[in-house]
Amino acid sequence: SQQGEEDPQALSIQEGENATMNCSYKTSINNLQWYRQNSGRGLVHLILIRSNEREKHSGRLRVTLDTSKKSSSLLITASRAADTASYFCATDSTGTASKLTFGTGTRLQVTL
Amino acid sequence: KAGVTQTPRYLIKTRGQQVTLSCSPISGHRSVSWYQQTPGQGLQFLFEYFSETQRNKGNFPGRFSGRQFSNSRSEMNVSTLELGDSALYLCASSFNLYEQYFGPGTRLTVT
Repeated sequence: SQQGEEDPQALSIQEGENATMNCSYKTSINNLQWYRQNSGRGLVHLILIRSNEREKHSGRLRVTLDTSKKSSSLLITASRAADTASYFCATDSTGTASKLTFGTGTRLQVTL
Repeated sequence: KAGVTQTPRYLIKTRGQQVTLSCSPISGHRSVSWYQQTPGQGLQFLFEYFSETQRNKGNFPGRFSGRQFSNSRSEMNVSTLELGDSALYLCASSFNLYEQYFGPGTRLTVT
């Protein structure tokens, strides 16, 4: 079963705008990761945030984690058409990253 | 380095048959995990192998099984296929116990 929910389920924005996706989870975690999936293909790892971290940046990506609320958000700044994909949060409770529990995903559409 | 490869990429099987999917991890990666992705249930963890031993297992029936070879290549087998087994099966390998590298997946259709 899935760990939690992501919202929105779908998001449509114009190129240049920022996109924010939220993820909620249910149990305590070791770390939380975000992945991107293009059109039913394999997933690509974007960023990992550990449970003792509150915010992390990587290029145009900014991730926040609030363990008290069991929630995380992914912000993509200055979106591009190439960012069009589904985005999933995944929680790791084992500390080995070998058994990830994925959220339901957000489908992002970036139009020109 | 070559990425994670999965074969075959597409497969059509009939109910009741069995199927074997293969995954070759990135060189040097000893952990291989398998996930099932369906529109209804999303991404679900099947099992993980590390150094030829199953280290973690998800909540799937015994019809789903796997193994890992000494070169870290892994196979998963599904016996007595059901229509609900139609899915994208993803394999992922890991080196540092944090980041997983996913293959392109095998699209299984059961008719």
